[in-house]
Parts: sequence; structure tokens; C-alpha cells
Amino acid sequence: EVKLVESGGGLVQPGRSLKLSCAASGFNFNDYWMGWVRQAPGKGLEWIGEINKDSSTINYTPSLKDKFTISRDNAQNTLYLQMSKLGSEDTAIYYCASAIYYSYWGQGVMVTVSS
Amino acid sequence: DIMMTQSPLSVAVTPGESASISCRSSKSLLHSNGITYLSWYLQRPEKSPQLLIYQISNLASGVSDRFSGSGSGTDFTLKISKVETEDVGIYYCVQFLEVPLTFGSGTKLEIK
Repeated sequence: EVKLVESGGGLVQPGRSLKLSCAASGFNFNDYWMGWVRQAPGKGLEWIGEINKDSSTINYTPSLKDKFTISRDNAQNTLYLQMSKLGSEDTAIYYCASAIYYSYWGQGVMVTVSS
Repeated sequence: DIMMTQSPLSVAVTPGESASISCRSSKSLLHSNGITYLSWYLQRPEKSPQLLIYQISNLASGVSDRFSGSGSGTDFTLKISKVETEDVGIYYCVQFLEVPLTFGSGTKLEIK
């Protein structure tokens, strides 16, 4: 069974950093691009970015490129999202997704940016 | 960025009837390889999005054949036949042609 489990969310103060993880199992993690998508409360889906199999290509949505960093550890079957300079606009559920056309999604992790 | 525009914002359907959702892109999603990179997702209440359809009309694994997709270039349609209560949620189209990937704003399907 394919599983993607996000972790690392929570309440964080404005201007601080936070790192999310996405643990993958049930498929060959090394064979797939991985992506992050977020959803602000009551809003639609926003693509954050993606990373290819060997981390040689990483794409971001332009507005987040200077704040967020995507990485992966194929030995640990884990995807990461390092977020910095967080603001209230970053409050959202963060999903990791994998496989062609994002066939698999995690359950999401909530990040709340507030003082 | 490619803009994805969905309509309607919401639709209310009687169980057993059909529903159609439209998605329009600001640029053709047809790649030079002949593939059109348009997908549809359903996000049920309090759940993660689920892939329904990819490349305009290909059903994802395990998805009911009551769902069908059509269209070309910049205009696409998702049709849900014989709507059931489990179809309630928000439907999103998304383009995979180029980065940044962009989603439509979503169409909420409700049951009458």
C-alpha cells in the first residue's frame, strides 16, 4: 500500500522557519518526482514545487522560490520542505504528492503562522 | 503562468442525474509530443485530493467510469454521470504542461 505521511507542522511565529517531512512507503521512492501542494483555509490548491528523482532538478512556483526549499533523501524515502520567513499567508495545509500526475497524496499537515 | 478558469463555481445535482464542469486554460495544453497535460482531481470534504483523470480523458486507477473527461487545446469538460452522494466535494482541473503547475479555482458539487 502506498503511503505518504507528512509531519513537522504546527504553530510557528511570523518570521520563523519550519521544516516539513514526507515519509514515503509502498512504492519505489527513488523512481518518482515528488511535489508539494498547499491549501490555505477555505481556499483552493496551490502548487509549491517539485523535485526530480536524483534532486538534480527542482522547480518552484515563482512567488515562493526565495522562501521555500525542497529536498529529498532517497536513502530515507523522505521528502522535505524547508520554509523560511513565514508569514500569515503561509498558514495552510501542506500536502506532499508523488507519481505521475500526483496519483498519490499524503493526508496533509497543518501549518499555522501566528504570534 | 498558465491560468486555469473553471465554471461554474458550484453545482447542485439530484442523485442519478449528470453534472458537467468546464475548465479553460489561457494557453493550449497540447505538448509537441502529442499529449495534452490536463488532469482532474476531486477533493472530498476534509480529505486529500484524489486524481480522477489525466491527459484529458484517461481514468486513474480505481476511479468509477461514471467520470469522463473530454476536450482539447484550451477547453475541457469533466462529466459525472449518475451522480451519487459520494461525489460531493470540490473538483479541480490542473495543467501539467509547464511549471509552475496551476490549478483551477475549483467547482463545488453538492447534492440537491
